[in-house]
Amino acid sequence: SAVISQKPSRDICQRGTSLTIQCQVDSQVTMMFWYRQQPGQSLTLIATANQGSEATYESGFVIDKFPISRPNLTFSTLTVSNMSPEDSSIYLCSVRQNNEKLFFGSGTQLSVL
Amino acid sequence: KQEVTQIPAALSVPEGENLVLNCSFTDSAIYNLQWFRQDPGKGLTSLLLIQSSQREQTSGRLNASLDKSSGRSTLYIAASQPGDSATYLCAVRNNNAGNMLTFGGGTRLMVKP
Repeated sequence: SAVISQKPSRDICQRGTSLTIQCQVDSQVTMMFWYRQQPGQSLTLIATANQGSEATYESGFVIDKFPISRPNLTFSTLTVSNMSPEDSSIYLCSVRQNNEKLFFGSGTQLSVL
Repeated sequence: KQEVTQIPAALSVPEGENLVLNCSFTDSAIYNLQWFRQDPGKGLTSLLLIQSSQREQTSGRLNASLDKSSGRSTLYIAASQPGDSATYLCAVRNNNAGNMLTFGGGTRLMVKP
């Protein structure tokens, strides 16, 4: 199984600022994804991070708010821009191996004051 | 649109008890179904993945079954232990949904010593 390192593990940020979350995988993977888990809710897919091209965003999520980078097959970043308290969530990086199982990083718990 | 429901939302059992967690989905055209465990404030750990052509998967004390025609999956935990306390999530990948996983709301399990 893939080992996924995600950082920071948690952060407390001020309204209007931006935070970049990093995701590093110990092996090359084709598919990398970013999920959001709002308090008391289940997971929602934000976008698929595509290597060498723009990310594919799900309905309700836009690049200006959640810019994503994927410079190579082992690394991706998600930025939460111009944060508001409504952005307080756990953000999770995940990868799919062999087109099957989905593996997750340990998550970034974000609180916006 | 796929909808995934998990019942019960919370469950408390004494140590040693065998238990069943339920997951139901509305669209039976699934590619696979995956069960995850999530500890508080953490990422997800993959437990079992069942392909649409399979009926069940086993790993240690865990057994997951799938009845695609009725839109149901169960996760059976044998001889529960306090360390099994966590939230258990099921997620469905549809045939026509690309990379999208639809998650259930989870069952929060507490195993009391």
